[in-house]
Amino acid sequence: DAKTTQPTSMDCAEGRAANLPCNHSTISGNEYVYWYRQIHSQGPQYIIHGLKNNETNEMASLIITEDRKSSTLILPHATLRDTAVYYCIGDRDGNKLVFGAGTILRVKS
Amino acid sequence: DTGVSQDPRHKITKRGQNVTFRCDPISEHNRLYWYRQTLGQGPEFLTYFQNEAQLEKSRLLSDRFSAERPKGSFSTLEIQRTEQGDSAMYLCASSFPGGYTFGSGTRLTVV
Repeated sequence: DAKTTQPTSMDCAEGRAANLPCNHSTISGNEYVYWYRQIHSQGPQYIIHGLKNNETNEMASLIITEDRKSSTLILPHATLRDTAVYYCIGDRDGNKLVFGAGTILRVKS
Repeated sequence: DTGVSQDPRHKITKRGQNVTFRCDPISEHNRLYWYRQTLGQGPEFLTYFQNEAQLEKSRLLSDRFSAERPKGSFSTLEIQRTEQGDSAMYLCASSFPGGYTFGSGTRLTVV
């Protein structure tokens, strides 16, 4: 599975879009990019995943570059409840998710 | 309840005691995973089952740790002779192809 690199932390103003980057330069052609988040004292929560095309759901949008070496998770209107650790994960065969340290997103009023 | 349930939510035990945690996955999910998470770190993979078969174990899973999933339904994780270094959040997840759902975890404190 690809190694992913994320910034340690980011701040975002409430109501603004939060853009969380992830580098996965070693990703292979059949590896999906998954995003999860973890709010304090809870288990990780699925947000979105994609392979090549950009994806959007009710929570977020995922923009994957054409070369698939990086992606950006977009929370269009961040709220205080979006404060969490966000994990970007490359998963090839669905055997397991391998988490890194993630990005601490702090949404501030 | 359609989520992944873990019991207990919190466990405090004395060093040297044995503890057992339970995970009830989403019923139609055939894969079940155990992870461990310490403060400030992402979850670390421990082991996973496909139905009742344990298919992979991490090197983190010392011989004091054992996991079972009888009949491919709920799973238990047992830690024997607990040590202070075992203090962590133990997370369970279940999956069907394309999606993983995590429970809220069991927080273990070894004193």
